[in-house]
Amino acid sequence: QKEVEQDPGPLSVPEGAIVSLNCTYSNSAFQYFMWYRQYSRKGPELLMYTYSSGNKEDGRFTAQVDKSSKYISLFIRDSQPSDSATYLCAMKVYGGSQGNLIFGKGTKLSVKP
Amino acid sequence: GAGVSQSPRYKVAKRGQDVALRCDPISGHVSLFWYQQALGQGPEFLTYFQNEAQLDKSGLPSDRFFAERPEGSVSTLKIQRTQQEDSAVYLCASSYQGAGEKLFFGSGTQLSVL
Repeated sequence: QKEVEQDPGPLSVPEGAIVSLNCTYSNSAFQYFMWYRQYSRKGPELLMYTYSSGNKEDGRFTAQVDKSSKYISLFIRDSQPSDSATYLCAMKVYGGSQGNLIFGKGTKLSVKP
Repeated sequence: GAGVSQSPRYKVAKRGQDVALRCDPISGHVSLFWYQQALGQGPEFLTYFQNEAQLDKSGLPSDRFFAERPEGSVSTLKIQRTQQEDSAVYLCASSYQGAGEKLFFGSGTQLSVL
């Protein structure tokens, strides 16, 4: 079993839909949780970064962390065709080697006009 | 402003050849990271530099992989005697100081070993 599990999709939704993306993890030492967006043939781009359990909102994006269930989510409201990309969750232990992020496989999202 | 720049964008190598991949981080970024991303997978950590010091190379898959950052700026990832399983996208990322959580990634070098 990998440390971070993420359904690779693909996920296809109509424009304007609410999208829910999820990851589960097994290592209780993970303390930092991130969501990256990766467009085709591009590098990942940081969307959201959270440290503690709870919700964090930024525009149309909401990140949710439930450490007791080892489960994190990213919600996208009013999805747009420009949101079509692969979404990667990433995690890091507290005090771990800088930059040694553990990524999920990524979920490929397609938002249809 | 300039982001992280990687070259070449694509590299085709015959099995057994040596390759060198270059990364120009964002100016002023102290930390530099290399990741390997296989098709359909998330990036996997290879190595980390703070300035010119290589502080973590635990992710390098074999002694055929070597990375350097001699002047604390540009970095080169070298793969000797390439194998087919080395085919992947190699991503470089940089961050300001040691803020490893907020990485800025380049577009990567896609390596194909035939």
